[in-house]
Formats: sequence, structure tokens, C-alpha cells
Amino acid sequence: DGGITQSPKYLFRKEGQNVTLSCEQNLNHDAMYWYRQDPGQGLRLIYYSQIVNDFQKGDIAEGYSVSREKKESFPLTVTSAQKNPTAFYLCASSIRTGASGANVLTFGAGSRLTVL
Amino acid sequence: QKEVEQNSGPLSVPEGAIASLNCTYSDRVSQSFFWYRQYSGKSPELIMSIYSNGDKEDGRFTAQLNKASQYVSLLIRDSQPSDSATYLCAVYSGGSQGNLIFGKGTKLSVKP
Repeated sequence: DGGITQSPKYLFRKEGQNVTLSCEQNLNHDAMYWYRQDPGQGLRLIYYSQIVNDFQKGDIAEGYSVSREKKESFPLTVTSAQKNPTAFYLCASSIRTGASGANVLTFGAGSRLTVL
Repeated sequence: QKEVEQNSGPLSVPEGAIASLNCTYSDRVSQSFFWYRQYSGKSPELIMSIYSNGDKEDGRFTAQLNKASQYVSLLIRDSQPSDSATYLCAVYSGGSQGNLIFGKGTKLSVKP
């Protein structure tokens, strides 16, 4: 079955540590996204990528980094510079830009990060 | 700053009633509108998309769009306890993929 796989589902981190969240999709989608969700809040865009080897900052990119070396993969690193990283992180993908339904997102199951 | 506003709720309706969820947006040139359902602790799933003024029906769900009033709504007929979730409104304003803005969501509770 096609879909998006995020791992790990739960992650605990000590302050000052970098962590990397994995996101893999087999939907053949061109665009991939990372969102952060805090309790009672909507989804806020961290980074997005429309093609391999290219990505753009979203609204809250500070303290995060990404790479897009393969179409299927879009890992997110939460660095020690992120002041309040405890949140629910969602990876999503959509078909190629400009195509009908290009903004319809398919989400992974999410990764919940807790900083101890 | 482009904004999408939703009443946070909770909106409580009895089983079998019609639930009405509302969303307003600030960018007049917005093109595409989406409703996602999110169960507690889970990821969002798309339930409706609408692109032109008027109503769009899919089973028990009806999306309504009024671009002049910058307003989009979701009606859920014959509400079931399984409809209890947070409903996220998302609006795309064109240009880059980053211009998809989510509201904070409305929590719906359907009482048996």
C-alpha cells in the first residue's frame, strides 16, 4: 500500500541534543512538507520541498534543518538551537506542483518529540 | 499575514443532528479550500476539498464556499459519535506550496 512512513513514533531527547526524524513516501509525490503541531494549535509549516535537492523555509524554520537527496525521503533534524522542540511533528506529501490536486496533502502518522 | 480563523469549540451536538463548522480567511485571492479531520493523537485526513462558490456534497458531508464573504463551512448531517474529532480548515492562496495555511481547528463532540 502506498503511504508515508514516519519514524520514530515517539522520541525523547535531552536538551542540547540534535535529533533526526525520518519521513519516507512511496506515493511518487514530488512535494514533501514538515509541519509542527502544538496543543490547541493548527499546523505550522517548518520546511517544504517541491523537487529533489531543493527545499524552502516555512514559517518556523529556525532551529530545524532538512535535506532532500531522494524523491522518497525528506528527513527533519531538530537542532539544539530550537528553543522549544517538544511538539507533534507531521510529514506530508502532495503530487507535483501545479497539477490538479497539488495542494491535497497526505500525512504520515506523526512523530511525537519530548525534550526532557 | 494570511490568516485562517476557526472557532476552537468545543462544539457539542447530539447524535443525529447537523454539525456546522465555520472558517473565515483573510486572503481574497485564495483558490482552494480543504477540510481535514484529526482524531486525538492522530494525523489529519482529508475529508473535503472545494474550489468554486457553492455547495459540494459527499455522503453526509457538505462543504460550502462563499468567496465574496471569504467564508467556507462544513456541514455534517446525521452526526455520529465517530465524527467526534478536531476539524481543520486549510486554505491555499496560490504561488508556492508554502501558501497552504491551516486554521487552529474546531473540536467537535457528538453526544450519544
